[in-house]
Amino acid sequence: DAKTTQPNSMESNEEEPVHLPCNHSTISGTDYIHWYRQLPSQGPEYVIHGLTSNVNNRMASLAIAEDRKSSTLILHRATLRDAAVYYCILRDVSYGNAGNMLTFGGGTRLMVKP
Amino acid sequence: DSGVTQTPKHLITATGQRVTLRCSPRSGDLSVYWYQQSLDQGLQFLIQYYNGEERAKGNILERFSAQQFPDLHSELNLSSLELGDSALYFCASSVDELGHYEQYFGPGTRLTVT
Repeated sequence: DAKTTQPNSMESNEEEPVHLPCNHSTISGTDYIHWYRQLPSQGPEYVIHGLTSNVNNRMASLAIAEDRKSSTLILHRATLRDAAVYYCILRDVSYGNAGNMLTFGGGTRLMVKP
Repeated sequence: DSGVTQTPKHLITATGQRVTLRCSPRSGDLSVYWYQQSLDQGLQFLIQYYNGEERAKGNILERFSAQQFPDLHSELNLSSLELGDSALYFCASSVDELGHYEQYFGPGTRLTVT
């Protein structure tokens, strides 16, 4: 899988929006952009994924740059429960590719202040 | 609750011993993945099974093996344990083989080798 670059840590205030950036300059046309998060003492949890268009779900929004070389995970109103490590992962699911496993980098540790 | 269960939650054993970690996937999921999370290596993919067959392999040591049974539960066997095998071991499941769908992670088994 292509490599992603994320800041090591970010801080946010409770009830404010949070924008978590991810750079993936070597992304290929068949790479999907996935975000997972890991809350303290828990297993990773799926957040959202997309290919080219921006995506919204109940947890977050994903904004993908037009050239797809970067993306931003948006938490619209951070809560204390959103404090976690957020992982941006590229997955190539083209036919014949064993890209089914998740390749985790260091992620971004998000701290939320009350 | 992701629907993926792992037992035991904690395991303490001595070097040279053998242990078995167990995972039950979400109902309906055919793929099971095993990941190892240690402080120095982060989250690493070990192995994937799909409907009883090995599908993909990561950096899994030869001392480690896994299998998926007809009822789709999976076991990860770790033998000749070393201090460096101390880590969190996560199991994840997904409905498909090729990674088109998200993975759901269990709560993990914390292995301590003394």
